[in-house]
Amino acid sequence: GAVVSQHPSRVICKSGTSVKIECRSLDFQATTMFWYRQFPKQSLMLMATSNEGSKATYEQGVEKDKFLINHASLTLSTLTVTSAHPEDSSFYICSARDGKDFQETQYFGPGTRLLVL
Amino acid sequence: DAKTTQPNSMESNEEEPVHLPCNHSTISGTDYIHWYRQLPSQGPEYVIHGLTSNVNNRMASLAIAEDRKSSTLILHRATLRDAAVYYCILVSYNTDKLIFGTGTRLQVFP
Repeated sequence: GAVVSQHPSRVICKSGTSVKIECRSLDFQATTMFWYRQFPKQSLMLMATSNEGSKATYEQGVEKDKFLINHASLTLSTLTVTSAHPEDSSFYICSARDGKDFQETQYFGPGTRLLVL
Repeated sequence: DAKTTQPNSMESNEEEPVHLPCNHSTISGTDYIHWYRQLPSQGPEYVIHGLTSNVNNRMASLAIAEDRKSSTLILHRATLRDAAVYYCILVSYNTDKLIFGTGTRLQVFP
């Protein structure tokens, strides 16, 4: 099956620093990738949709200047949390759609756990 | 986006069948019914999806009501590794988005 990786798997940073999370589709080309955030004991919340070669589309309430998304190739999307604060601590998960798959299935990465001190 | 309603939690014993219900009374004609599951501390995993007919794959079966206002995910023989949160999600043909609800937390006992 299709595999999506994320790096790093966990990161601890100081308040005010920026953190970059990578999402890669390993064995397929992903024209569309998605970024989610999940707080403890809550469901996943869609943050943004990332299309290769174009600007990301952010969900209502998600600050685009704080969560920078770059989808520079068909296999890589990055999420940068700028000037991170403790309230940004969360589990960040990406997913990708196979460009050849018309069934709308999304393949999820293993997630990145961010802790901001 | 059309909403789904699922029980918060369910329990099963190992090797017994599990029927996970989902209500989606406002489903539109072009909405697909998708099921994903999320094991602890992992990203979600695709389970199965369907439109009108019942579907089977190696993981599960999906039974869709004739009026499409409800569906049931069937795990034929639950294992301890099936303990997860199961999400029933409606996906419109003209949008890529998955909007996750609260899902059903399935506990499997030995």
